[in-house]
Amino acid sequence: AQSVTQLDSHVSVSEGTPVLLRCNYSSSYSPSLFWYVQHPNKGLQLLLKYTSAATLVKGINGFEAEFKKSETSFHLTKPSAHMSDAAEYFCVVSDAGGTSYGKLTFGQGTILTVHP
Amino acid sequence: EAGVTQSPTHLIKTRGQQATLRCSPISGHTSVYWYQQALGLGLQFLLWYDEGEERNRGNFPPRFSGRQFPNYSSELNVNALELEDSALYLCASIRRTSGSYEQYFGPGTRLTVT
Repeated sequence: AQSVTQLDSHVSVSEGTPVLLRCNYSSSYSPSLFWYVQHPNKGLQLLLKYTSAATLVKGINGFEAEFKKSETSFHLTKPSAHMSDAAEYFCVVSDAGGTSYGKLTFGQGTILTVHP
Repeated sequence: EAGVTQSPTHLIKTRGQQATLRCSPISGHTSVYWYQQALGLGLQFLLWYDEGEERNRGNFPPRFSGRQFPNYSSELNVNALELEDSALYLCASIRRTSGSYEQYFGPGTRLTVT
């Protein structure tokens, strides 16, 4: 069974300061991990993905995440927040095996607020 | 490349009615996934269709059903609607042969049950 825990339901930062959104996962197989972003009343957009290649993954809009197997973590970071980053962020795990192929398990989401 | 499309954008139904939601995957994608995003419950996996067959379903009652057509588009049907079915329903597609688990999402259909 797979699961995802996003450690913060809300994160508030000032524009220009670093962003850290925390995620821990549990998976029976070698997982694929993703971060998706959802702006209000919009669908989900993929920010970045980890699929057992490099442990430091770079995504769109300056975001990156580091896969740490020993800590079962996949935290999302950005050096400098922009107002347009305000959205809800989902950490997602996908198991590779059998009938769970491609089935995504979502964390509960972290709402990022960016103050001017 | 056109993205995943869903219709309608909004759907208003009354309790007990049936709702039909439609999804067209990205060209070349053969798998379609449905998710429910209900207030306070987060995003939950509903159904997975691949090559016209239902491959897996989440923890939802049988009144949630669907199908996948030969052109890989998909339909989600919700029978005997209940108030708690009000949610954003998201469809996603994937190209299984690519070996990637990356899913591309549509904009969603917002279903309101009154």
